Amino acid sequence: GENVEQHPSTLSVQEGDSAVIKCTYSDSASNYFPWYKQELGKRPQLIIDIRSNVGEKKDQRIAVTLNKTAKHFSLHITETQPEDSAVYFCAASEGTGTASKLTFGTGTRLQVTL
Amino acid sequence: DVKVTQSSRYLVKRTGEKVFLECVQDMDHENMFWYRQDPGLGLRLIYFSYDVKMKEKGDIPEGYSVSREKKERFSLILESASTNQTSMYLCASRRQGTRGEQYFGPGTRLTVT
Repeated sequence: GENVEQHPSTLSVQEGDSAVIKCTYSDSASNYFPWYKQELGKRPQLIIDIRSNVGEKKDQRIAVTLNKTAKHFSLHITETQPEDSAVYFCAASEGTGTASKLTFGTGTRLQVTL
Repeated sequence: DVKVTQSSRYLVKRTGEKVFLECVQDMDHENMFWYRQDPGLGLRLIYFSYDVKMKEKGDIPEGYSVSREKKERFSLILESASTNQTSMYLCASRRQGTRGEQYFGPGTRLTVT
């Protein structure tokens, strides 16, 4: 099955700096890569996703890049703000159609300091 | 707005007890999932269901079973709770065929003593 590795496990940045979280996956058939954000005490929520036919996607201060050849994808957050502090999970989707499921990485705790 | 609810936020059970965790979604989603979340291990899939009465094992199904008798409800059952099942349990739902967003419930923190 799919295996997703995520690094770093913790990341501390100063407000206004950029943050980068990296993930690698093992199954070359995976073609959907979402990122979820989980604030303290809250449920995970989707913040951005990318499909394998796209190399990069941006949404305001966040962007995701995908390198299919190397089987890795990354989350980039620019101009970080205190409200970006959370745990971020990457995921990869294997399977097709009805039975598709996500395999999650182990998470990155991002702390944005003032 | 999608709403996924779970029957309990906190639950304390004794070793050997049978435990039921309930999840209900109100968006007519076909797919439903049960995960457990442990520090440093991320979200691990226990079981999922892609339609009523259908179920598939996830990555860590041992010690768990599930039931999906109605489309909106997906139950996770711990037949005989053990201390290593102490964890946060998260339910999620998704519209079938989209590979799109999974909507999570608030979670149930289960402690087995």
